[in-house]
Amino acid sequence: EAQVTQNPRYLITVTGKKLTVTCSQNMNHEYMSWYRQDPGLGLRQIYYSMNVEVTDKGDVPEGYKVSRKEKRNFPLILESPSPNQTSLYFCASTLGTSGNSGGELFFGEGSRLTVL
Amino acid sequence: EDQVTQSPEALRLQEGESSSLNCSYTVSGLRGLFWYRQDPGKGPEFLFTLYSAGEEKEKERLKATLTKKESFLHITAPKPEDSATYLCAVLAPWGQNFVFGPGTRLSVLP
Repeated sequence: EAQVTQNPRYLITVTGKKLTVTCSQNMNHEYMSWYRQDPGLGLRQIYYSMNVEVTDKGDVPEGYKVSRKEKRNFPLILESPSPNQTSLYFCASTLGTSGNSGGELFFGEGSRLTVL
Repeated sequence: EDQVTQSPEALRLQEGESSSLNCSYTVSGLRGLFWYRQDPGKGPEFLFTLYSAGEEKEKERLKATLTKKESFLHITAPKPEDSATYLCAVLAPWGQNFVFGPGTRLSVLP
């Protein structure tokens, strides 16, 4: 079954304690991205990756890091989480975004993070 | 700055009462406009992609249309199972950055 898998689904942590949210897709997609969703603000892109070893900032990258060492995995790293990073996070992937085709994102189920 | 706005913020319909949701954008050189459905506690689910003004796509009771500055999602004779938040997004022309609107929360009452 084609899917995007995120872990953990729920996490409560404390300020400053490093954490990683994993994301894996089994569709051989080149493009992967991370979003956070907050009430009233909608989905905002944090980082995206066009392919292995190619990453770029989205609209709200501050306080986050990513890496893309393998095509299927795109972990989101919070080196020193703060309460304003409490949010619902989504990982998504798509085959590609070039030309007039593709671009439809497949989303994971979400990871709800609370930073105390 | 690219902007995507959606209206109304929330919409309540009776079953069978058709209506339209609006998505307006300010991106120039649009590379694609996307509609998604999101159920509570779930990730967004892809519905449609539109690439050029005048294009239309249909799926069951939903029909998406695109003009140069906005897109409409028409819902014909909705059912309670159509209740969800509907999101639109645009693909920015110079990068690979997707910009999402805040969504329209649709409730269809039996």
